[in-house]
Amino acid sequence: DTGVSQNPRHKITKRGQNVTFRCDPISEHNRLYWYRQTLGQGPEFLTYFQNEAQLEKSRLLSDRFSAERPKGSFSTLEIQRTEQGDSAMYLCASSARGSSYNEQFFGPGTRLTVL
Amino acid sequence: AQSVTQLGSHVSVSEGALVLLRCNYSSSVPPYLFWYVQYPNQGLQLLLKYTSAATLVKGINGFEAEFKKSETSFHLTKPSAHMSDAAEYFCAVSDGGGTSYGKLTFGQGTILTVHP
Repeated sequence: DTGVSQNPRHKITKRGQNVTFRCDPISEHNRLYWYRQTLGQGPEFLTYFQNEAQLEKSRLLSDRFSAERPKGSFSTLEIQRTEQGDSAMYLCASSARGSSYNEQFFGPGTRLTVL
Repeated sequence: AQSVTQLGSHVSVSEGALVLLRCNYSSSVPPYLFWYVQYPNQGLQLLLKYTSAATLVKGINGFEAEFKKSETSFHLTKPSAHMSDAAEYFCAVSDGGGTSYGKLTFGQGTILTVHP
């Protein structure tokens, strides 16, 4: 399978702990997006990478959140000092270089539960 | 700023009946519009997209949508519902360029239930 993969699929943590999620995009895709989806809502944009450069961050991405894509391939999203409000599904998507109407391919998501 | 409104958080139809899921958008520039489907515990899958070519767009699984600029709408339809269509559907908009890098703004989603 050559789709977008995300690990772990589920993460349960205690408030105040740090967590890190990984996204492996489709290999030839240079664009990578992170979204957050809470229960009953549509996904909300968090941040965007073009190759290794982080070009846009949402105001939703507080100082406790950091994302990297060090070699322009996989990406990590870290949440420090987790809060219960961070509980959500974190989705990663990738798309090919070119027009912004290129399809974004989504991974299965990482479901975070903060106790 | 862009926004998407999906009218009806839940839609219920009988198998074989018409499916109509409503989406209205707001965009200051010509939009690109998308419909995604999400099955439980899975990521989003693209159904179809409008990219300023034909206003009637055909997608996978028999779905289609019509872009109506005057109504700022992009409603999703399927002539005959199948049990396998039960899922959550999201309408999304991208402004197609500028500094947005193609990021998507989603509606809140519509859960489609199909009764036998």
